[in-house]
Amino acid sequence: DAGVIQSPRHEVTEMGQEVTLRCKPISGHDYLFWYRQTMMRGLELLIYFNNNVPIDDSGMPEDRFSAKMPNASFSTLKIQPSEPRDSAVYFCASSTRRNEQYFGPGTRLTVT
Amino acid sequence: KQEVTQIPAALSVPEGENLVLNCSFTDSAIYNLQWFRQDPGKGLTSLLLIQSSQREQTSGRLNASLDKSSGRSTLYIAASQPGDSATYLCAVRVNTDKLIFGTGTRLQVFP
Repeated sequence: DAGVIQSPRHEVTEMGQEVTLRCKPISGHDYLFWYRQTMMRGLELLIYFNNNVPIDDSGMPEDRFSAKMPNASFSTLKIQPSEPRDSAVYFCASSTRRNEQYFGPGTRLTVT
Repeated sequence: KQEVTQIPAALSVPEGENLVLNCSFTDSAIYNLQWFRQDPGKGLTSLLLIQSSQREQTSGRLNASLDKSSGRSTLYIAASQPGDSATYLCAVRVNTDKLIFGTGTRLQVFP
């Protein structure tokens, strides 16, 4: 299995632009998680899905952030408009119920 | 609210030493605990998963223990090597399938 796939690996954008991060979970995993990692706050769970349905989005920082999972093999995290404080590494992870979470390589986002 | 703490925050040891990394959590109502490794600029790699009914798990030179009642887990690394240098994170899974992460221990093993 190729593992969790994320794209792009690096994204540099200007403040105010829309950013879309993409994730392909491991085939057969029915849970998908989006995390954000910063030096100040560590790893934070933003949102997670079960069977393509959002279960808990309480970690989404504000309305500028949205996430979708149109099918079992694809999810997006969108930031519109982006701000410099959104600069971080965004990880996607997948798992089966209450089992190990497998993380993707992350997307390093820089907003200038 | 579940809080996860890792001590020490950083550790530097010579190659060959056996070492212990500590993880503590405030609420014992967990389903499992997972240890991860993160190399600089990389994603997280799962090392060991301990279910709440288990006391320990072993993989190669790694051994993780879990004492749910006292809210503690330890990761034991035997005969450390420079390639073990990384940040080690523990995370507890709570009743909503969420993982709550600790702040990590940054390990450096020098030759």
